[in-house]
Amino acid sequence: GAGVSQSPSNKVTEKGKDVELRCDPISGHTALYWYRQSLGQGLEFLIYFQGNSAPDKSGLPSDRFSAERTGGSVSTLTIQRTQQEDSAVYLCASSGRQGARGETQYFGPGTRLLVL
Amino acid sequence: AQKVTQAQTEISVVEKEDVTLDCVYETRDTTYYLFWYKQPPSGELVFLIRRNSFDEQNEISGRYSWNFQKSTSSFNFTITASQVVDSAVYFCALSEVNSGYSTLTFGKGTMLLVSP
Repeated sequence: GAGVSQSPSNKVTEKGKDVELRCDPISGHTALYWYRQSLGQGLEFLIYFQGNSAPDKSGLPSDRFSAERTGGSVSTLTIQRTQQEDSAVYLCASSGRQGARGETQYFGPGTRLLVL
Repeated sequence: AQKVTQAQTEISVVEKEDVTLDCVYETRDTTYYLFWYKQPPSGELVFLIRRNSFDEQNEISGRYSWNFQKSTSSFNFTITASQVVDSAVYFCALSEVNSGYSTLTFGKGTMLLVSP
């Protein structure tokens, strides 16, 4: 596709369950980012991938959060034992070069997660 | 730490009015990049503009214009002759570099409501 795609678009889960969120970046983009958008915190950076490796995981809010990227393309963000405070919109973005300073990031439509 | 402030939480205007969205940033970097994104009700962040710190020339794109002033650390966005379709949340963002890669620090966003 032409843009960043994410699935599912909406996810409702029960507290304590695990969820997986998927991101498919723009073809050829080497850098991939995950952000979280919540009412109280605004837009927060979670993790960055260059290729399949994540040099910085410090933005992940807890050890219940993990992410991986395979084949330098699709990325999965996993939240284990979900809590109600995990409810938010999870946004994925990609950029062309190696996350270079100032590179424009193009965002997907997001996954709206609701933890009951 | 880098910071972006969008003091206007919500702005309401009537169609055809001009409106300016304010953005003030803080950074210790001498080279940095500023962005504006639009988030319509559908939720996807749409890239509008990127500006580097060495280019203070104002930019105009149709009804949109941007005023970058390093002296006041501001990067304001003006919509001329607003239209209902301009209704959205607008985010200003600053590109920061961590260990050679770039993440975006976002302001809290300004919700613009254009009434017919």
